[in-house]
Amino acid sequence: DAGVTQSPTHLIKTRGQQVTLRCSPKSGHDTVSWYQQALGQGPQFIFQYYEEEERQRGNFPDRFSGHQFPNYSSELNVNALLLGDSALYLCASSLGTRNTGELFFGEGSRLTVL
Amino acid sequence: DAKTTQPNSMESNEEEPVHLPCNHSTISGTDYIHWYRQLPSQGPEYVIHGLTSNVNNRMASLAIAEDRKSSTLILHRATLRDAAVYYCIHLRPGGGNKLTFGTGTQLKVEL
Repeated sequence: DAGVTQSPTHLIKTRGQQVTLRCSPKSGHDTVSWYQQALGQGPQFIFQYYEEEERQRGNFPDRFSGHQFPNYSSELNVNALLLGDSALYLCASSLGTRNTGELFFGEGSRLTVL
Repeated sequence: DAKTTQPNSMESNEEEPVHLPCNHSTISGTDYIHWYRQLPSQGPEYVIHGLTSNVNNRMASLAIAEDRKSSTLILHRATLRDAAVYYCIHLRPGGGNKLTFGTGTQLKVEL
């Protein structure tokens, strides 16, 4: 049973560039959430996708956008990268949007912006 | 967003019990209390959750105060593999699984 998989694991970009991160949810899960984790901090909620629509959004600018595909996989796009976007980006999957509180996280994509 | 307070760090010796405290004074009557942990270089991992009664599972026990304004995660016999950051989170009904993480407690386990 494959867990949550994310790619790439590490990447380096320069300011102003754009980046796309990818996530495949745990088998049987249909909901994907994205979190940003800065060094030494807890993860911060970016947004959640269910049925190919953004269902909830955290306090992040429009430079952060996403997409969910019919097979439930998801992408996170960040435009006009800033130095402060350097972080670990985590994808979490769950079944539906019911409040079970049990999410399964991937190992993350570490983004460094120079 | 719901706020919890945890000590920044704690230390334990291997094979000893560990009690990780959490204060959640703003919790409402229907919020669940969840604990996650994050091992080095990994994403967070669900540990346990509860509402009012104490809960046990294969990983840990959760003791919830009678007034629900605090809880304690109990690891009965700490191992080196339990060294991680432990996050206490309370989840509002209808929140759609949106987790609000604090900075958590860094648990160090020594031989």
